Amino acid sequence: AQSVTQLGSHVSVSEGALVLLRCNYSSSVPPYLFWYVQYPNQGLQLLLKYTTGATLVKGINGFEAEFKKSETSFHLTKPSAHMSDAAEYFCAVSEADMGRRALTFGSGTRLQVQP
Amino acid sequence: DGGITQSPKYLFRKEGQNVTLSCEQNLNHDAMYWYRQDPGQGLRLIYYSQIVNDFQKGDIAEGYSVSREKKESFPLTVTSAQKNPTAFYLCASTPRGRGSYNEQFFGPGTRLTVL
Repeated sequence: AQSVTQLGSHVSVSEGALVLLRCNYSSSVPPYLFWYVQYPNQGLQLLLKYTTGATLVKGINGFEAEFKKSETSFHLTKPSAHMSDAAEYFCAVSEADMGRRALTFGSGTRLQVQP
Repeated sequence: DGGITQSPKYLFRKEGQNVTLSCEQNLNHDAMYWYRQDPGQGLRLIYYSQIVNDFQKGDIAEGYSVSREKKESFPLTVTSAQKNPTAFYLCASTPRGRGSYNEQFFGPGTRLTVL
């Protein structure tokens, strides 16, 4: 069974500082990996995804993530935080099992950006 | 514009009442999902449907029911048997085919409060 662990339910950074949100997964087969962002009282928006190929994935709003198979990690980074980045971030994993096609989500990391 | 709509945005229910949450999509996606979101717990799968007139229980289906009579629509009924229904409910959809990599598209959510 697949699972996702997000280390740190709350992360606080200063505006302009590096953002690092951690995600580790377990999967018995090569996974598809996703990062979603959620603003208060809204749905989830896709930031980026890893499917196959290049392990460094670039997404929207300057975010990127690197798939490291040996570490079973898919950490999300952004070089310089902006106030508008304050939101909750979810890492999710899916396996190439077309039977269910659901995502398994981590418990989320709330990012706070200090001025 | 294509997308997923959920209504209402806010819903209040008295104990013992059934309520139905609407989810409509015009993306021509085959699979649809309902998730429940509680603070600090990420998203938990309630029900999913891969095709019209067929649906399966997710991880927390007790106290909920769904129907899938049309491809575009996947309403969720929260019954009086659901002991703690106050939560944020999210609907999502996925297109068919391996090229989708199981990426899910989300609606804006419905916040249900039991009075």
